[in-house]
Amino acid sequence: AQTVTQSQPEMSVQEAETVTLSCTYDTSENNYYLFWYKQPPSRQMILVIRQEAYKQQNATENRFSVNFQKAAKSFSLKISDSQLGDTAMYFCAFMKLRVAGGTSYGKLTFGQGTILTVHP
Amino acid sequence: NAGVTQTPKFRVLKTGQSMTLLCAQDMNHEYMYWYRQDPGMGLRLIHYSVGEGTTAKGEVPDGYNVSRLKKQNFLLGLESAAPSQTSVYFCASRGPGLRQETQYFGPGTRLLVL
Repeated sequence: AQTVTQSQPEMSVQEAETVTLSCTYDTSENNYYLFWYKQPPSRQMILVIRQEAYKQQNATENRFSVNFQKAAKSFSLKISDSQLGDTAMYFCAFMKLRVAGGTSYGKLTFGQGTILTVHP
Repeated sequence: NAGVTQTPKFRVLKTGQSMTLLCAQDMNHEYMYWYRQDPGMGLRLIHYSVGEGTTAKGEVPDGYNVSRLKKQNFLLGLESAAPSQTSVYFCASRGPGLRQETQYFGPGTRLLVL
């Protein structure tokens, strides 16, 4: 079974600065996907960024980028130029697309989350 | 395009009562999921569906039932609610198609069982 660990329950950063959230995972799979989701106080789960394990290049989405270290099973999220609207709970998640009876299905395994607070 | 919607947004139940949570998606997605989120924990999978008429158990299925009679709808039922089912429930859907590995979430349903 896969496990996802986020070792930082809470983080804080000043507006306009950079912050990195950590995530490690445990799996015996070789091909999988990793995600960072953001959950603001509204509770809506919003996809921030995704990474395919077979791609060596780190994914980037505007101010968000990841440092994917496959051998170390590490998947950290870097937020540059932090904004007040980035204040939220951030979840790291793992997915292996499994094939059963010719049908693929995906199960997301989530970490415990990191609460990020951006201060003015 | 509403994406994934959930009904109701909030509900209070007494122990032993029953209710059904409705999830609807308008993206023609094949796969749908029900998760629960408890304080200090990430989301955990309750049940999922790989297509109309099919359902399967996830990590924490006990006390819940699901049905997928129409492709766009995925219902989660609580036959006899218990305080341990107090939680926030999220529905999600995905692919196939472009970015078919990405799950898109509804806004959540907060359930309080007294």
